[in-house]
Amino acid sequence: TQLLEQSPQFLSIQEGENLTVYCNSSSVFSSLQWYRQEPGEGPVLLVTVVTGGEVKKLKRLTFQFGDARKDSSLHITAAQPGDTGLYLCAGARGGSEKLVFGKGTKLTVNP
Amino acid sequence: DTGVSQDPRHKITKRGQNVTFRCDPISEHNRLYWYRQTLGQGPEFLTYFQNEAQLEKSRLLSDRFSAERPKGSFSTLEIQRTEQGDSAMYLCASSLLRPSTDTQYFGPGTRLTVL
Repeated sequence: TQLLEQSPQFLSIQEGENLTVYCNSSSVFSSLQWYRQEPGEGPVLLVTVVTGGEVKKLKRLTFQFGDARKDSSLHITAAQPGDTGLYLCAGARGGSEKLVFGKGTKLTVNP
Repeated sequence: DTGVSQDPRHKITKRGQNVTFRCDPISEHNRLYWYRQTLGQGPEFLTYFQNEAQLEKSRLLSDRFSAERPKGSFSTLEIQRTEQGDSAMYLCASSLLRPSTDTQYFGPGTRLTVL
């Protein structure tokens, strides 16, 4: 059973389009992190959200943590080819230090 | 601060051989984690240390796997009698324990191929 479900699994869009990636769970998380991973490399942290309803912006990327702290979304405005990569959400549950990851969304932005 | 480093980046070995990987965390970080990632999956937790103490181990960590962090700084992950199913990317992460959040920063990983 996958604790964190990410959708879509694959996404191929044209440069300049907007997109949203979702990360859903039936479990409550004390914090949630988004990472981007390039092939053959480790995940690189984009953002950490800890408060229900929290919205964080990182240039063209907007992250939202659900009010109930069970879900999150990542919205990219005017996508660029440099945004291509695997986007992973990962949650930490209260009382456990390990991160639980989704399977990721593989994004391809075509020029 | 150069981030988390891992060595080697790639390792090819024959089935039955032992392998050892090293992780150097961000210098002031007191927590260190090991994860494993197979193709098409997100990373899966293996174990973590707070300083030199190993505080949690996943059921994924069979008795062929052992991890150490002898002085609370770098860590090693050893796999004995490797099997083809051990082929994966082994990721190390570190964090600084804080009251409200414990953001983990990952290294570049060690890609293991067992022939």
